[in-house]
Amino acid sequence: GAVVSQHPSWVICKSGTSVKIECRSLDFQATTMFWYRQFPKQSLMLMATSNEGSKATYEQGVEKDKFLINHASLTLSTLTVTSAHPEDSSFYICSANPPAGQGVADTQYFGPGTRLTVL
Amino acid sequence: ILNVEQSPQSLHVQEGDSTNFTCSFPSSNFYALHWYRWETAKSPEALFVMTLNGDEKKKGRISATLNTKEGYSYLYIKGSQPEDSATYLCAPEETSGSRLTFGEGTQLTVNP
Repeated sequence: GAVVSQHPSWVICKSGTSVKIECRSLDFQATTMFWYRQFPKQSLMLMATSNEGSKATYEQGVEKDKFLINHASLTLSTLTVTSAHPEDSSFYICSANPPAGQGVADTQYFGPGTRLTVL
Repeated sequence: ILNVEQSPQSLHVQEGDSTNFTCSFPSSNFYALHWYRWETAKSPEALFVMTLNGDEKKKGRISATLNTKEGYSYLYIKGSQPEDSATYLCAPEETSGSRLTFGEGTQLTVNP
């Protein structure tokens, strides 16, 4: 199979603090990982594409200085929400494509997500 | 950003009923259509990836069809069971390995 984990599963923080979310591919190497966000009653929206060893590609409207992405290894990408504010409260979820021959071809495998609440 | 629509938004059925949902997407620049099942507190689970017009895929009691010319896909569940209760998401993909654009999903509740 192809398993993706995320940590933490939920976090509550004070306004102004920074929060780091980890996304790991447990049984495969992922050169690319994707970070999505979901607000209540809305669809999953892609925030950025995380590329191992290079800069992330951000979607239009997503502030790269606020949502720092680091893909330092082939099994780990981190998303840091800097100076979080209540409007950043959301559900953050990552995904990755396993290499050919593992999992279902052309399929993104998702982590379980992280619920962020900023007070 | 692609316009992806799923209907209905929510659905309540009785155990044993068969049901179906719709996913509509732009028919231009199409590479693949993904269906996911997302149960509460779990990771979204990939159900199907379909690429060819007329594709029909099946996994147990769940099947899906694809019409790329008119831009829609149907997901069918035969003999719904309470464990089928989940949100079903569809997401078209424009090129291989590119972003997925998700619909808002259809929330299915199967009552025993």
